[in-house]
Amino acid sequence: DGGITQSPKYLFRKEGQNVTLSCEQNLNHDAMYWYRQDPGQGLRLIYYSQIVNDFQKGDIAEGYSVSREKKESFPLTVTSAQKNPTAFYLCASSRWDSNNEQFFGPGTRLTVL
Amino acid sequence: ELKVEQNPLFLSMQEGKNYTIYCNYSTTSDRLYWYRQDPGKSLESLFVLLSNGAVKQEGRLMASLDTKARLSTLHITAAVHDLSATYFCAVSPMDSNYQLIWGAGTKLIIKP
Repeated sequence: DGGITQSPKYLFRKEGQNVTLSCEQNLNHDAMYWYRQDPGQGLRLIYYSQIVNDFQKGDIAEGYSVSREKKESFPLTVTSAQKNPTAFYLCASSRWDSNNEQFFGPGTRLTVL
Repeated sequence: ELKVEQNPLFLSMQEGKNYTIYCNYSTTSDRLYWYRQDPGKSLESLFVLLSNGAVKQEGRLMASLDTKARLSTLHITAAVHDLSATYFCAVSPMDSNYQLIWGAGTKLIIKP
């Protein structure tokens, strides 16, 4: 079955640690995205990537980093520079066409202890 | 500034009633998306509206797009409890193939 997987589902981090969230898709989509969602809020774009080895900052990129070495994978690292990283992180992907419908993974809930 | 505004942000209604959620946007666009999110879950795509006058229906939900008014509506007919969720609209600006501008979401509670 085609889809997007994210791991882990839950992640606990101590202050000062870097953590990496995994996102994999087998939909053959060109574009991938990372969003952050705080409780009761909408989605905010962290980073997005249109093609392999290229990515752009979104609205709240500070304290985060990404890589896109393979078309299927778009991992997100939450660094110690991110002051308030506790949130729900959602990965999405889409085709490169006029439709641009984004499909979402199940999400990773990150909690800083 | 590009804005997508949903209203209401919170809606509590009785089963069997009809209601409409509105999504206004400030940019030129002919692509609008509706998503559903259940508590603690990810987002599920409901509708993709790609042209002025587009109308799509799935069960008790119907979405429409008026690009001239920069307005989309999500109409709920004879609501049932299972439709309780948060509904998001998102707009793809004309000059962007990738980024979506998201509304804040409408939390819908349908009481039995």
